[in-house]
Amino acid sequence: EVQLVESGGGLVQPGGSLRLSCATSGFTFSSYWMHWVRQVPGKGLVWLSRMNSDGSRKIYADSVKGRFTISRDNAKNTLYLQMTSLRDEDTAMYYCARSSMSDNTACGSWGQGTLVTVSS
Amino acid sequence: DIVMTQSPDSLAVSLGERATINCKSGQSVLYTSNNKNYLGWYQQKPGQPPKLLISWASTRESGVPDRFSGSGSGTDFTLTISSLQAEDVAVYYCQQYYSTSYTFGQGTKLEIK
Repeated sequence: EVQLVESGGGLVQPGGSLRLSCATSGFTFSSYWMHWVRQVPGKGLVWLSRMNSDGSRKIYADSVKGRFTISRDNAKNTLYLQMTSLRDEDTAMYYCARSSMSDNTACGSWGQGTLVTVSS
Repeated sequence: DIVMTQSPDSLAVSLGERATINCKSGQSVLYTSNNKNYLGWYQQKPGQPPKLLISWASTRESGVPDRFSGSGSGTDFTLTISSLQAEDVAVYYCQQYYSTSYTFGQGTKLEIK
Protein backbone atom coordinates (compact mmCIF):
# COMPACT_ATOMS: atom_id res chain seq x y z
CA GLU A 1 0.00 0.00 0.00
CA VAL A 2 1.31 3.42 -0.96
CA GLN A 3 1.77 5.63 2.09
CA LEU A 4 2.94 9.23 2.40
CA VAL A 5 3.26 10.75 5.87
CA GLU A 6 4.09 14.41 6.30
CA SER A 7 5.65 15.86 9.43
CA GLY A 8 7.47 18.96 10.61
CA GLY A 9 4.62 21.42 10.68
CA GLY A 10 3.91 23.67 13.60
CA LEU A 11 3.91 27.25 14.80
CA VAL A 12 6.67 29.49 13.51
CA GLN A 13 7.19 33.25 13.69
CA PRO A 14 7.16 35.44 10.60
CA GLY A 15 10.58 35.46 9.01
CA GLY A 16 11.35 32.04 10.42
CA SER A 17 12.18 28.76 8.77
CA LEU A 18 10.77 25.26 8.85
CA ARG A 19 11.58 21.97 7.17
CA LEU A 20 8.77 19.62 6.26
CA SER A 21 9.32 15.93 5.66
CA CYS A 22 7.29 13.36 3.76
CA ALA A 23 8.17 9.78 4.62
CA THR A 24 7.01 7.28 2.05
CA SER A 25 6.53 3.53 1.82
CA GLY A 26 4.84 0.94 -0.35
CA PHE A 27 6.47 1.93 -3.60
CA THR A 28 9.87 2.51 -5.17
CA PHE A 29 10.32 6.11 -4.07
CA SER A 30 13.44 6.62 -6.18
CA SER A 31 11.44 6.10 -9.38
CA TYR A 32 8.75 8.74 -8.93
CA TRP A 33 8.21 12.45 -9.37
CA MET A 34 7.10 14.02 -6.09
CA HIS A 35 5.20 17.23 -5.30
CA TRP A 36 4.26 19.67 -2.56
CA VAL A 37 0.82 21.28 -2.54
CA ARG A 38 -0.67 23.57 0.08
CA GLN A 39 -4.12 24.62 1.15
CA VAL A 40 -5.08 27.53 3.34
CA PRO A 41 -7.86 26.30 5.65
CA GLY A 42 -11.18 26.71 3.88
CA LYS A 43 -9.55 27.67 0.60
CA GLY A 44 -8.37 25.93 -2.56
CA LEU A 45 -5.37 23.83 -3.51
CA VAL A 46 -2.15 25.51 -4.60
CA TRP A 47 0.61 23.55 -6.28
CA LEU A 48 4.04 24.59 -4.95
CA SER A 49 6.84 22.46 -6.29
CA ARG A 50 7.87 19.18 -7.87
CA MET A 51 11.02 17.17 -8.24
CA ASN A 52 12.01 14.34 -10.51
CA SER A 53 13.09 10.92 -9.36
CA ASP A 54 16.83 11.56 -9.03
CA GLY A 55 16.53 15.14 -7.81
CA SER A 56 18.09 16.69 -10.87
CA ARG A 57 14.98 18.72 -11.79
CA LYS A 58 13.24 21.04 -9.38
CA ILE A 59 10.32 23.23 -10.38
CA TYR A 60 8.62 25.88 -8.26
CA ALA A 61 5.55 28.04 -8.36
CA ASP A 62 6.42 31.73 -8.62
CA SER A 63 4.83 32.33 -5.22
CA VAL A 64 7.54 30.35 -3.41
CA LYS A 65 10.51 30.53 -5.76
CA GLY A 66 13.59 31.67 -3.89
CA ARG A 67 12.08 30.98 -0.44
CA PHE A 68 11.23 27.28 -0.57
CA THR A 69 13.52 24.42 -1.57
CA ILE A 70 12.39 20.93 -2.45
CA SER A 71 14.75 18.03 -1.94
CA ARG A 72 14.72 14.27 -1.47
CA ASP A 73 16.75 11.49 0.04
CA ASN A 74 16.14 8.37 -2.01
CA ALA A 75 18.04 6.24 0.50
CA LYS A 76 15.55 7.29 3.19
CA ASN A 77 12.48 7.32 0.90
CA THR A 78 11.78 10.85 2.08
CA LEU A 79 10.83 14.13 0.43
CA TYR A 80 11.55 17.48 2.04
CA LEU A 81 10.44 21.08 1.77
CA GLN A 82 12.71 23.68 3.32
CA MET A 83 10.76 26.88 3.90
CA THR A 84 12.48 30.18 4.74
CA SER A 85 11.41 33.80 5.21
CA LEU A 86 7.98 32.56 6.20
CA ARG A 87 5.04 34.96 5.99
CA ASP A 88 1.58 35.00 7.51
CA GLU A 89 0.18 33.96 4.14
CA ASP A 90 2.22 30.75 4.21
CA THR A 91 -0.11 29.47 6.92
CA ALA A 92 -1.66 26.36 5.39
CA MET A 93 -1.92 22.61 5.35
CA TYR A 94 1.00 21.24 3.33
CA TYR A 95 0.55 18.01 1.41
CA CYS A 96 3.09 15.88 -0.34
CA ALA A 97 1.91 13.94 -3.36
CA ARG A 98 3.25 11.38 -5.79
CA SER A 99 2.69 11.49 -9.49
CA SER A 100 4.28 8.90 -11.74
CA MET A 101 7.61 7.84 -13.14
CA SER A 102 7.02 10.11 -16.10
CA ASP A 103 7.03 13.89 -16.19
CA ASN A 104 3.80 15.84 -16.46
CA THR A 105 1.35 13.44 -14.88
CA ALA A 106 -1.36 13.89 -12.27
CA CYS A 107 -0.88 13.39 -8.53
CA GLY A 108 -2.29 9.98 -7.81
CA SER A 109 -1.35 9.55 -4.15
CA TRP A 110 -1.43 12.06 -1.30
CA GLY A 111 -0.45 12.27 2.32
CA GLN A 112 -2.73 13.53 5.08
CA GLY A 113 -0.87 16.82 5.34
CA THR A 114 0.97 18.77 8.01
CA LEU A 115 -0.25 22.13 9.27
CA VAL A 116 2.05 25.13 9.26
CA THR A 117 1.01 28.22 11.18
CA VAL A 118 3.00 31.41 10.76
CA SER A 119 2.18 33.85 13.51
CA SER A 120 3.83 36.05 16.07
CA ASP B 1 1.14 30.06 -15.55
CA ILE B 2 -1.99 28.53 -17.02
CA VAL B 3 -5.06 29.85 -15.24
CA MET B 4 -7.77 27.30 -14.56
CA THR B 5 -11.29 28.60 -14.01
CA GLN B 6 -14.08 26.40 -12.71
CA SER B 7 -17.79 27.01 -12.84
CA PRO B 8 -19.91 27.17 -10.86
CA ASP B 9 -18.22 27.93 -7.55
CA SER B 10 -20.92 25.92 -5.79
CA LEU B 11 -23.65 23.58 -6.85
CA ALA B 12 -26.61 21.92 -5.13
CA VAL B 13 -28.07 18.85 -6.77
CA SER B 14 -30.76 16.42 -5.65
CA LEU B 15 -29.83 12.83 -4.88
CA GLY B 16 -29.96 10.73 -8.01
CA GLU B 17 -29.71 13.72 -10.30
CA ARG B 18 -26.85 14.73 -12.59
CA ALA B 19 -24.13 17.11 -11.46
CA THR B 20 -21.95 18.93 -13.97
CA ILE B 21 -18.83 20.92 -13.19
CA ASN B 22 -16.93 22.89 -15.80
CA CYS B 23 -13.26 23.79 -16.05
CA LYS B 24 -11.70 26.16 -18.53
CA SER B 25 -7.98 26.57 -19.05
CA GLY B 26 -6.31 29.79 -20.13
CA GLN B 27 -4.54 27.97 -22.92
CA SER B 28 -4.85 24.57 -24.49
CA VAL B 29 -3.64 21.63 -22.42
CA LEU B 30 -3.85 19.27 -25.36
CA TYR B 31 -0.46 17.93 -26.37
CA THR B 32 -0.93 17.32 -30.07
CA SER B 33 1.95 14.87 -30.46
CA ASN B 34 0.17 12.27 -28.34
CA ASN B 35 -3.38 13.69 -28.48
CA LYS B 36 -3.61 13.74 -24.69
CA ASN B 37 -5.22 16.41 -22.57
CA TYR B 38 -3.09 17.06 -19.49
CA LEU B 39 -6.06 17.61 -17.19
CA GLY B 40 -7.06 15.89 -13.97
CA TRP B 41 -10.05 16.02 -11.64
CA TYR B 42 -9.78 15.66 -7.88
CA GLN B 43 -12.33 15.17 -5.13
CA GLN B 44 -11.71 16.50 -1.63
CA LYS B 45 -13.99 15.62 1.24
CA PRO B 46 -13.87 17.58 4.51
CA GLY B 47 -10.83 16.77 6.60
CA GLN B 48 -9.29 14.60 3.89
CA PRO B 49 -6.56 15.08 1.29
CA PRO B 50 -7.54 15.31 -2.35
CA LYS B 51 -8.21 12.14 -4.28
CA LEU B 52 -7.49 11.80 -7.99
CA LEU B 53 -10.67 10.77 -9.79
CA ILE B 54 -9.83 11.29 -13.45
CA SER B 55 -6.62 11.82 -15.37
CA TRP B 56 -5.99 12.68 -19.02
CA ALA B 57 -9.36 14.47 -18.97
CA SER B 58 -11.41 11.29 -19.26
CA THR B 59 -9.58 8.28 -17.74
CA ARG B 60 -11.14 7.14 -14.49
CA GLU B 61 -8.70 6.02 -11.83
CA SER B 62 -8.92 2.51 -10.48
CA GLY B 63 -11.79 2.10 -8.03
CA VAL B 64 -13.60 5.30 -9.00
CA PRO B 65 -17.32 4.63 -9.55
CA ASP B 66 -18.45 4.80 -13.15
CA ARG B 67 -20.99 7.50 -12.33
CA PHE B 68 -17.99 9.86 -12.53
CA SER B 69 -16.94 10.80 -16.05
CA GLY B 70 -14.73 13.44 -17.60
CA SER B 71 -14.94 14.97 -21.03
CA GLY B 72 -13.61 17.84 -23.09
CA SER B 73 -10.49 18.77 -24.96
CA GLY B 74 -8.21 21.72 -25.52
CA THR B 75 -9.43 24.38 -23.13
CA ASP B 76 -12.88 23.25 -22.02
CA PHE B 77 -13.55 20.31 -19.75
CA THR B 78 -16.43 18.84 -17.79
CA LEU B 79 -16.75 16.52 -14.82
CA THR B 80 -20.11 14.79 -14.70
CA ILE B 81 -21.60 12.76 -11.89
CA SER B 82 -24.45 10.91 -13.52
CA SER B 83 -26.48 10.11 -10.42
CA LEU B 84 -25.48 11.99 -7.30
CA GLN B 85 -24.95 9.96 -4.16
CA ALA B 86 -24.70 11.32 -0.62
CA GLU B 87 -21.03 10.35 -0.43
CA ASP B 88 -20.24 12.59 -3.41
CA VAL B 89 -20.59 15.73 -1.31
CA ALA B 90 -17.16 17.31 -1.63
CA VAL B 91 -15.14 20.04 -3.28
CA TYR B 92 -13.97 19.17 -6.78
CA TYR B 93 -10.85 20.61 -8.40
CA CYS B 94 -9.47 20.47 -11.90
CA GLN B 95 -5.72 20.64 -12.42
CA GLN B 96 -3.57 21.06 -15.49
CA TYR B 97 -0.25 19.27 -15.65
CA TYR B 98 0.59 20.40 -19.18
CA SER B 99 2.96 23.19 -18.21
CA THR B 100 6.11 23.13 -16.13
CA SER B 101 4.16 24.63 -13.23
CA TYR B 102 0.96 22.81 -12.46
CA THR B 103 -2.14 24.83 -11.54
CA PHE B 104 -5.50 24.03 -9.96
CA GLY B 105 -8.90 25.54 -10.51
CA GLN B 106 -10.44 27.37 -7.56
CA GLY B 107 -12.72 24.45 -6.70
CA THR B 108 -16.44 23.73 -6.92
CA LYS B 109 -18.36 22.86 -3.78
CA LEU B 110 -21.00 20.21 -4.41
CA GLU B 111 -23.88 19.84 -1.98
CA ILE B 112 -27.15 17.98 -1.76
CA LYS B 113 -30.30 19.97 -2.55
